[in-house]
This record gives sequence, C-alpha cells and structure tokens, in this order.
Amino acid sequence: AIQMTQSPSSLSASVGDRVTITCRASQGIRNDLGWYQQKPGKAPKLLIYGASSLHSGVPSRFSGSGSGTDFTLTISSLQPEDFATYYCLQDYNYPLTFGQGTKLEIK
Amino acid sequence: DVQLLESGGGLVQPGGSLRLSCATSEFTFRRYAMNWVRQAPGKGLEWVSTFSDTGNTYYGDSVKGRFTISRDNSKGTLYLQMNSLRAEDTAVYYCAKGTGIAKGSDYYYYMDVWGKGTTVTVSS
Repeated sequence: AIQMTQSPSSLSASVGDRVTITCRASQGIRNDLGWYQQKPGKAPKLLIYGASSLHSGVPSRFSGSGSGTDFTLTISSLQPEDFATYYCLQDYNYPLTFGQGTKLEIK
Repeated sequence: DVQLLESGGGLVQPGGSLRLSCATSEFTFRRYAMNWVRQAPGKGLEWVSTFSDTGNTYYGDSVKGRFTISRDNSKGTLYLQMNSLRAEDTAVYYCAKGTGIAKGSDYYYYMDVWGKGTTVTVSS
C-alpha cells in the first residue's frame, strides 16, 4: 500500500497568515491526490482534487500543487473558519490511503 | 443537492455482526462509485471500501475477508456488512459518493458528498 506522510502533524497560526501543509507519497502517484477538511464532529469536506483543482464552492484562498510524490496545500490568508484538520488522500490505486492529518489551531 | 444518510450503527459484542446502510434520494445513484470511510475515536480517516460504478469492489487490508460492500441501485442504497467485528473496528463510519471526471487526457476521482456518519462500537 502507498504510504502518505503529512507534515506537520499540527500547526498553530493566526488569522491572516499564509499556511502550507505538505503530503509525501511513498511512491509516485502522478497527480492523483485530494485534500479534505474536517471540523470536529463533522464529516470531511473536499477542497482540492487532482492535486490542484479547486472543488466547486471552495474559497480561492485554498490552493494545491505538486505531482509525483510531493504535494502541498496552501491557505493564502487564514480565516477563522479554516481552523480544522486537513487530510490528503491518494486515489492513484487501491487501497486508497489518507495522510495522518494536520491539525490547524489558532495561535 | 445529493444527500447521504447512514444508518445501522450501534453497540455490538466482539465477534458479532452489523449491517450499515447509506441511503440517497438521488436517482442517478447507479452512475457513481460509493465508498465507506471510518474514523476511530480521536484518530484520522481510514478508507474502508469502494463499490465502483462498474461493479468492482475494493477493501482495505484491515477489513478484507470480514466486511462486504454491496449496493442496491433500485433503492439508491449502499451497504456494508460487517462480520467478525473487533474492538479496533470501533469508529464513526461515513459513506461518501465518488465522482470520476475526465479533464483533457487526465482522469480524476474524488469523494465529493459525505454523509454525517453512523457510530459503531464493538465492546463486551
């Protein structure tokens, strides 16, 4: 199975900050990667698919990049509603695998 | 908008069985792959199983041989039959609609609609 390693595991930031989360695959996955946001007690929400395509309705302050093994999720200017946990998910092959998550907290 | 509603969770003893359901009113249900994803208490997301739109099924290693995914397109419902349950199967189980799209020469797959989840607790 492909291992997905996210970093950092947790991150403290302030409203207005620019934040970057990384995800590394244990083997090349082209650009078959999505990013999901989850708030406590809620289901995950899709943010980015195909490594860099913004899902419908997602604010443009979210962006994704990368291909192969290294990927990033960037939030250009943090808003209060962005404090949540973020997961990457590879859909290159089965079994699908998530990263362990990055908890974004208010500084 | 497509909505998904899971049901069937509950408390079960180790070694027991449960069947989860995920219902949608969306009439084009048959066109989409459907997934189960779970989250143990205080832990991250874990993909469990996928039933593709072409009829293929896939399972995570931790549930292979114990869980069975199925769907009834006429009822717009996805199922997860869980047998030989273990304490480590305790989790919130989410169903998620899978969408595949072609953009140029690329094909993308993502989970764009999620249910609210149903809780499974395996304990004696």
